[in-house]
Amino acid sequence: DQQVKQNSPSLSVQEGRISILNCDYTNSMFDYFLWYKKYPAEGPTFLISISSIKDKNEDGRFTVFLNKSAKHLSLHIVPSQPGDSAVYFCAASAYGAGGTSYGKLTFGQGTILTVHP
Amino acid sequence: ETGVTQTPRHLVMGMTNKKSLKCEQHLGHNAMYWYKQSAKKPLELMFVYNFKEQTENNSVPSRFSPECPNSSHLFLHLHTLQPEDSALYLCASSQDSGQLVNFGPGTRLLVL
Repeated sequence: DQQVKQNSPSLSVQEGRISILNCDYTNSMFDYFLWYKKYPAEGPTFLISISSIKDKNEDGRFTVFLNKSAKHLSLHIVPSQPGDSAVYFCAASAYGAGGTSYGKLTFGQGTILTVHP
Repeated sequence: ETGVTQTPRHLVMGMTNKKSLKCEQHLGHNAMYWYKQSAKKPLELMFVYNFKEQTENNSVPSRFSPECPNSSHLFLHLHTLQPEDSALYLCASSQDSGQLVNFGPGTRLLVL
């Protein structure tokens, strides 16, 4: 039973346009969400996060939106750049569960983003 | 060195071999983790250590044996693995109360 799902295995976008990566979750205990980016031969690197008390968090070109009622979050990258081409992972944790779930991330399968020049 | 380092980066082993993966974090964190990424599957948490104590074993077979001698070092001892254990093994660390998990580059393991 996969609790975090990224239903699009890949996404192709033109440079300068917006990239929208989607993620759905089923566990209502999740209250903290993260996006990681992974280049080949490297480990995932943290990109941006959002707490369940917010519905939007922005950092430069990256914005994460959270819709708790739909159990859905999305990552917007605008404008997209060729250097953004990587695998993007959505992850979730149930931090509020007595503070014992720190670092115990549940990941989606990842979405391969390709940004064409 | 900064961040989380892992050695070796690549490993090929037979099913009867014994090998160990090493991880070191230079971030002053006190929680460390082993994650596994198999082909076309999400990253899966294997083990959690907090202040050198194992706090989670996510139903991992005993042929994987973790060791955490101090809060900066983490090992994964491998013994009589199966070909289906071939995967990318990622070490990570965080502050005990932090949600931000920093990953190492991973060890690509192939079991023949």
